[in-house]
Amino acid sequence: DAGVTQSPTHLIKTRGQQVTLRCSPKSGHDTVSWYQQALGQGPQFIFQYYEEEERQRGNFPDRFSGHQFPNYSSELNVNALLLGDSALYLCASSLGQVINYGYTFGSGTRLTVV
Amino acid sequence: GNSVTQMEGPVTLSEEAFLTINCTYTATGYPSLFWYVQYPGEGLQLLLKATKADDKGSNKGFEATYRKETTSFHLEKGSVQVSDSAVYFCALSGVDDYKLSFGAGTTVTVRA
Repeated sequence: DAGVTQSPTHLIKTRGQQVTLRCSPKSGHDTVSWYQQALGQGPQFIFQYYEEEERQRGNFPDRFSGHQFPNYSSELNVNALLLGDSALYLCASSLGQVINYGYTFGSGTRLTVV
Repeated sequence: GNSVTQMEGPVTLSEEAFLTINCTYTATGYPSLFWYVQYPGEGLQLLLKATKADDKGSNKGFEATYRKETTSFHLEKGSVQVSDSAVYFCALSGVDDYKLSFGAGTTVTVRA
């Protein structure tokens, strides 16, 4: 049973560019959340998608946007990249509220902005 | 808002030593509490969880007890192995909250 799949695994972009990261949730999961993990820090919540809508959002600027497709997969888009956007971006899927089942995390996409 | 404070690392231990990683939290009501582990080059894996006061989560020899009176969820293992070397994150999910709030992580290195 495949877990959470993220692509690409690594990415290098130039400041000011735009990037799209992709996530396929674990089979049977209907909720996708995105987190940003800067080096040496804990993951920070970006947003969560459920039924193709953004259900909750963390303290991230509007440059960060997302989408969820009917098959529950998701994309994270970041516009006008800044050097500070360099981080590991983690996708996590779940069924229902996290308190019941916990998340399953993907291995992440390492984004480097130069 | 909800927040988690965990013991700063790094922590270096010898094999078979006792491990404790302190975690305290700030939240309203009764949040659910989690420990996640991140091995090098990998995503986070759920290690254990507790959803109400006095619950004890356990897995792979690790334990943590939800202490409402001290707002704590300390992680313990009686005898660590080299394979336990990883970064450990304490996290919480608040009541009616869809996200996890993580601590900064504690890097644990176990030497043979």
